[in-house]
Amino acid sequence: DTGVSQNPRHKITKRGQNVTFRCDPISEHNRLYWYRQTLGQGPEFLTYFQNEAQLEKSRLLSDRFSAERPKGSFSTLEIQRTEQGDSAMYLCASSFDDVTARVTLSGETQYFGPGTRLLVL
Amino acid sequence: LAKTTQPISMDSYEGQEVNITCSHNNIATNDYITWYQQFPSQGPRFIIQGYKTKVTNEVASLFIPADRKSSTLSLPRVSLSDTAVYYCLVVPSGSARQLTFGSGTQLTVLP
Repeated sequence: DTGVSQNPRHKITKRGQNVTFRCDPISEHNRLYWYRQTLGQGPEFLTYFQNEAQLEKSRLLSDRFSAERPKGSFSTLEIQRTEQGDSAMYLCASSFDDVTARVTLSGETQYFGPGTRLLVL
Repeated sequence: LAKTTQPISMDSYEGQEVNITCSHNNIATNDYITWYQQFPSQGPRFIIQGYKTKVTNEVASLFIPADRKSSTLSLPRVSLSDTAVYYCLVVPSGSARQLTFGSGTQLTVLP
């Protein structure tokens, strides 16, 4: 399977603990995104990487959250001192951005992984 | 980013054609209309994208009027497995950097 994969699929933790999630994007994709989704809502953007560089962060990404993408391949999202409000589905997506293209005649398509469901007790 | 409005929920029966309409009154010239589908406990999946008139693929059709202020996703002969949340997004051409999802439309297909 060459799609986006995420691990673990489920995580239960106690308030105050740290958790780390991993995302493996589609291999040729240079962009990687993290989103958070709560029940009944659409995904909300958290941050994205172009190769190994983290280029944008949402204000939703508090200082307890940190994301990395070493070597521009897989990415990790860590939440420190988890709170019950952190309970959500964490989604990773990837896409390919042709930086050499002078004109792009379509909107970007992002490919999502299955998500990691976090429950903070 | 242009805001989208779509119905919260819709019911249909197996074999029927389903049309989900989305309004995006503030769509910009370089924006594309994109639809994603999401099943429970899965990530969203790209269905279709269009700029104007009609686009069709193996899954759905997308109808966009000349003023582009709305669009309609058409699912032919739905089955139970089409029960999902459908999101309408407006995506700028080129690199969007982030997708802005609304609450989507929960489509329930009944036997």
